[in-house]
Amino acid sequence: DTAVSQTPKYLVTQMGNDKSIKCEQNLGHDTMYWYKQDSKKFLKIMFSYNNKELIINETVPNRFSPKSPDKAHLNLHINSLELGDSAVYFCASSQGGVVGYTFGSGTRLTVV
Amino acid sequence: GQQLNQSPQSMFIQEGEDVSMNCTSSSIFNTWLWYKQDPGEGPVLLIALYKAGELTSNGRLTAQFGITRKDSFLNISASIPSDVGIYFCAGQLDDYKLSFGAGTTVTVRA
Repeated sequence: DTAVSQTPKYLVTQMGNDKSIKCEQNLGHDTMYWYKQDSKKFLKIMFSYNNKELIINETVPNRFSPKSPDKAHLNLHINSLELGDSAVYFCASSQGGVVGYTFGSGTRLTVV
Repeated sequence: GQQLNQSPQSMFIQEGEDVSMNCTSSSIFNTWLWYKQDPGEGPVLLIALYKAGELTSNGRLTAQFGITRKDSFLNISASIPSDVGIYFCAGQLDDYKLSFGAGTTVTVRA
């Protein structure tokens, strides 16, 4: 049973396209996150939702829009993709702000 | 969020060696965590530290929460080949955000 699952695992797309990454967790957690890992492996938070409410919104271009239809799902939609958006995107979940996020296995996005 | 200074950036291990890495911050944290990331996977939590001065072990791993609350270290004793990967420190205040270090890449010395 996968705790935090992301789809797709790999995504290759052309500049200017719009794409979505989906995330689902079956841990019963109430908080979900999107993190971006750049080519130097640095992990930076993008968004967080607690019970479907946006609670963290870091300095991220407006082209990135998260959506949480329920507390088990957090999707990330990206408009007008740019070369610099190429990275690995990780979804994670936790119960409240309690430490010990559980991460998904990542989506490697390559924009060509 | 704040960026943590993690060192060394990379290290080579020989099976059986003890290895050490550390993390410092200009700000205090209430919680320090250590994660490991294997290729193609997400980070997995190894150890969480909740109190200044706390020393916690998890098998061959030992981590400490610095007294100043601005640093932490992780030791791996008697390293084995499956210890290779990227180790991240992370700090948390009272909010939901984790601030990560840049990682220490551990590889096996040929």
